[in-house]
Amino acid sequence: GDSVTQMEGPVTLSEEAFLTINCTYTATGYPSLFWYVQYPGEGLQLLLKATKADDKGSNKGFEATYRKETTSFHLEKGSVQVSDSAVYFCALKTDSSYKLIFGSGTRLLVRP
Amino acid sequence: DADVTQTPRNRITKTGKRIMLECSQTKGHDRMYWYRQDPGLGLRLIYYSFDVKDINKGEISDGYSVSRQAQAKFSLSLESAIPNQTALYFCATSDTGQGSTDTQYFGPGTRLTVL
Repeated sequence: GDSVTQMEGPVTLSEEAFLTINCTYTATGYPSLFWYVQYPGEGLQLLLKATKADDKGSNKGFEATYRKETTSFHLEKGSVQVSDSAVYFCALKTDSSYKLIFGSGTRLLVRP
Repeated sequence: DADVTQTPRNRITKTGKRIMLECSQTKGHDRMYWYRQDPGLGLRLIYYSFDVKDINKGEISDGYSVSRQAQAKFSLSLESAIPNQTALYFCATSDTGQGSTDTQYFGPGTRLTVL
């Protein structure tokens, strides 16, 4: 069945470091791909999305490119801030499905 | 004001008790969802509703029931709570109109502890 695999955390970085959080997926057809972020004590909010191969989603300095050949949607940011500390979830939705399928989440901790 | 609200935000209860978690939205969306979040497991879908008369089971519906009282309200009930239902519960909504983006909008969550 459809699934999403994320790198295990926590990921600990110093401020201004480069961030990569890996995400790969298994799905039939051509899914839409999402990154959601969960700040401490809050619900999930959409960070970025891509709906077709080679699309790049971007928001708040974060980017992710839909790579169909490697079935990946890795999240990157060139210079992280303490305020980026959160849990990041990769997710997919297929055209034939009603629901989002989430990865297990990756906790990011950015130290000053 | 928040678009998706959940009450209560925290609840501690005992095994065997009946619990209701409530969700309200002001986004005007037709679709509403209930998820639970457990450490290391991401979010798993419990129930979803496409409109007031359309309610469907998700992947982990056993032990739960729902009620869609109105377009804006979707409640989750645990008829007889058990400790392994201790989790963080999220309500979400999405739209289905022309130009829909497939984006789901989440409430702040309810932390439920069953002793």
